[in-house]
Amino acid sequence: QVQLVESGGGLVKPGGSLRLSCVASGFTFSDYYMNWIRRSPGKRLEWISYISGSSRTIFYAESVKGRFTISRDNTKNSLFLQMDNLKAEDTAVYYCARALPENFYAYVDSWGQGSPVIVSS
Amino acid sequence: EIVLTQSPGILSLSPGESATLSCGASQTVYRHFLAWYQERPGQAPRLLMYGASTRATGIPDRFSGSGTGTDFTLTISRLEPEDFAVYYCQQYASLPRTFGQGTRVEIK
Repeated sequence: QVQLVESGGGLVKPGGSLRLSCVASGFTFSDYYMNWIRRSPGKRLEWISYISGSSRTIFYAESVKGRFTISRDNTKNSLFLQMDNLKAEDTAVYYCARALPENFYAYVDSWGQGSPVIVSS
Repeated sequence: EIVLTQSPGILSLSPGESATLSCGASQTVYRHFLAWYQERPGQAPRLLMYGASTRATGIPDRFSGSGTGTDFTLTISRLEPEDFAVYYCQQYASLPRTFGQGTRVEIK
């Protein structure tokens, strides 16, 4: 059974940093593209970033490019999102999500429960 | 960026009725790389459909998807109590991946 468990969210001041983690289980982690997706209060779901199984392919949404860094450790079945220079508009619930097949046109087939991030002074 | 617009915003129906949800794209979705998700309160979104019309594993056949180009539809026949939820479409044909704003299917 696929399980994705996020952690690391919390309250942070504008300009601060936070690192989200997602531990995966129930599948061969290195075989899958992984995504971060967020939902801000009152807004639609927003895709943030994805990373291929080998980490060779990485893309970011324009809204986070240069501030957020996605990475993974396949030896620990873990996905990360380093978030720097946080802004109030980054306040959201952040979801870790698995995608398949392992190519550019991968669709999300499993989601974690989400980790809330609040950026406020 | 492909903008997805879902309609209606809210659908009020009774159990046993059918629901038709629409998702319109601002430009052609290449090879109908469009997915549908269901979200129930307190739960993570669940994949229903990918490739516009292929049901995900374990999804009952009362859910069907159709469409190509810029117009896509999710149909739920014979609504069950557990089907009352919010439904999102998402395109994965181009970057950035984008979602519709959602359609809430509520009990009338």
